[in-house]
Amino acid sequence: GQQVMQIPQYQHVQEGEDFTTYCNSSTTLSNIQWYKQRPGGHPVFLIQLVKSGEVKKQKRLTFQFGEAKKNSSLHITATQTTDVGTYFCALMKNAGNNRKLIWGLGTSLAVNP
Amino acid sequence: ETGVTQSPTHLIKTRGQQVTLRCSSQSGHNTVSWYQQALGQGPQFIFQYYREEENGRGNFPPRFSGLQFPNYSSELNVNALELDDSALYLCASSPGQGLGTGELFFGEGSRLTVL
Repeated sequence: GQQVMQIPQYQHVQEGEDFTTYCNSSTTLSNIQWYKQRPGGHPVFLIQLVKSGEVKKQKRLTFQFGEAKKNSSLHITATQTTDVGTYFCALMKNAGNNRKLIWGLGTSLAVNP
Repeated sequence: ETGVTQSPTHLIKTRGQQVTLRCSSQSGHNTVSWYQQALGQGPQFIFQYYREEENGRGNFPPRFSGLQFPNYSSELNVNALELDDSALYLCASSPGQGLGTGELFFGEGSRLTVL
């Protein structure tokens, strides 16, 4: 079935450095969602991208959807300790009344103060 | 917060036992889905309920079953527990089909340990 691959699996940065996680698929994606999960917490929705080449910003976070809709990225500028957590990309698959998310393995971000 | 509540938050069972996990969806949401998240992994889709009927299932055996009630709350039941069932079980609610942005609203999860 359709899968999404995420890299890197782990990233350790100094506070103030930038961070990027990438999500790739071998097939065209209809959409991509991004979630953040804090340690011990639950996934929290960040954004959904649906258009080819789409770029969306949320403060220090920039989300991109590739032109071919086969990849996506999340970039954080000047990381802070509050950015710590695992960032997941997920593909929403619709089949009739059923909606399910297919998740990547996530990128765990650690930030040194 | 998301308005989705799950109980219990933590529980410990032994192999072969049965467990019931509960979820109250966000007000106005008639769709509930359940995910299993093993340590260090992404969530895996178990099944979804829409208006009290299961309308989608992931790659999980029949001993994983569920219910949705008229108030759209939901239960996940797991029979004959195995060690590999140890995981965080997440419930997510969403509005009916064609509504909302596609965002799922997750509860805090129920962490199950099977000994």
